[in-house]
Formats: sequence, C-alpha cells, structure tokens
Amino acid sequence: EVHLVESGGVVAQPGGSLRLSCAASGFNFHDYVMHWVRQAPGEGLEWVSLISSDGASAYYADSVKGRFTSSRDNSRDSLYLQMNNVRAEDSGFYYCAKGGYTYVRHLDAWGQGTLVTVSS
Amino acid sequence: EIVMTQSPAILSVSPGERATLSCRASQNANRNLAWYQQKPGQAPRLLIYDVSTRATGVPARFSGSGSGTDFTLTISSLQSEDFAVYFCQHYNNWPKFGQGTKVEIK
Repeated sequence: EVHLVESGGVVAQPGGSLRLSCAASGFNFHDYVMHWVRQAPGEGLEWVSLISSDGASAYYADSVKGRFTSSRDNSRDSLYLQMNNVRAEDSGFYYCAKGGYTYVRHLDAWGQGTLVTVSS
Repeated sequence: EIVMTQSPAILSVSPGERATLSCRASQNANRNLAWYQQKPGQAPRLLIYDVSTRATGVPARFSGSGSGTDFTLTISSLQSEDFAVYFCQHYNNWPKFGQGTKVEIK
C-alpha cells in the first residue's frame, strides 16, 4: 500500500525559510514523478511543483517560482520542498502526491498534509 | 494556461438521489481529466482519471464522462459517505484544479 507522510510544517515569519519533507513507502519511489500541492484553509487545491523521477528536473507554479525548490533523495525514498522568502499567501496545508512515470498524469496517492503558517 | 471551472459551487442532494457535477476547461483537455474527493480534515482522494477510469477501490456508483472541454462526474445514488467536496483536475501539462463543488445533504 502506498504511504506518504509529510512533515516540517511550522509557523514561519514572512521572509523566512522552511523545509518540508515527505517520506514515501509501498511503491518504487525512484520510478515516479512526485508533486507538491497546497491548500489554504477552506480553499481549493493549487499545484505547487513537480520533480522528475531522477530528480534532474523540477517545475514550479508561477506563484512560487524562484522561491521554492523541490528535491528528492531516491536512496531514502524522500521528497523535499525548500521554501524561501515565504509570504502570508503561502500559508496552508502542503500535500505530497504521487504522479506517474511521466509528467502528464493524475495524482493517485496523497499524504495527509503538513500545515504551514506564515505570520508575524 | 487552461482554466478549470466547476459548477455548481454547492449541490444539495438527498441520500439515494443522483448527483451530477460539471467541469469545464477553457481549452481542450483531451482525456487528461481526473476527479478527486475530499472530506473535511482529509487529503484528496483520486476517484476518476483519464475522464472515465475509476481508481482502485472506487465504487461503481461513481462515473466520469465527457471530452474536450466539458466533463461530468455522476454519483448514481448518493450514500452518506459521499457528502464531500469534489475537484476536477486537468493534466495536459502542469496540473490545474477546478475550484471544487461541495455536495451537501439536502
């Protein structure tokens, strides 16, 4: 069974940095594209980033480009999101999600999410 | 960039009735369309992908249809556990979600 567990959500000040982690199990992590999706409380879903299976390529929503960096460690079955220069509008739940073998696929498993709050 | 528009925002349905949720894409989404269910305090769960393929373990009362720019999720006979928010998503390129439809008890 696929299992994704996020961690690292904290209360951060505007302009600060934090790093989210996602531990994966139950599938061949190194074969799959992985995604980050966020959701402000009571709002809809916003795709944030994806990273290729080998970690060589990552892509970002315009709202986070230049501030967030996705990475992965396939030896540890782990995914990361480095968040720099955070803003109030970055607050919300952050989910890691399993994609497919290619970039253009649905998200067939999600973690339970980790809450990021950006506030002074 | 494709914009996904869902309607209605809120759908009030009695248990046992049929629910029909709509999702419109601003450009051709081909067959790269998925539906997710989200209950309060939970992560989204994949229901349907490639327009009409049910994900593993999804009951047959959930069905997806459509093509191009207009898509529909139908729940044939609503059960108590189906009251939730439903999101459509295209994956032509980077994923883009609709704003969601809340299915509530009438």
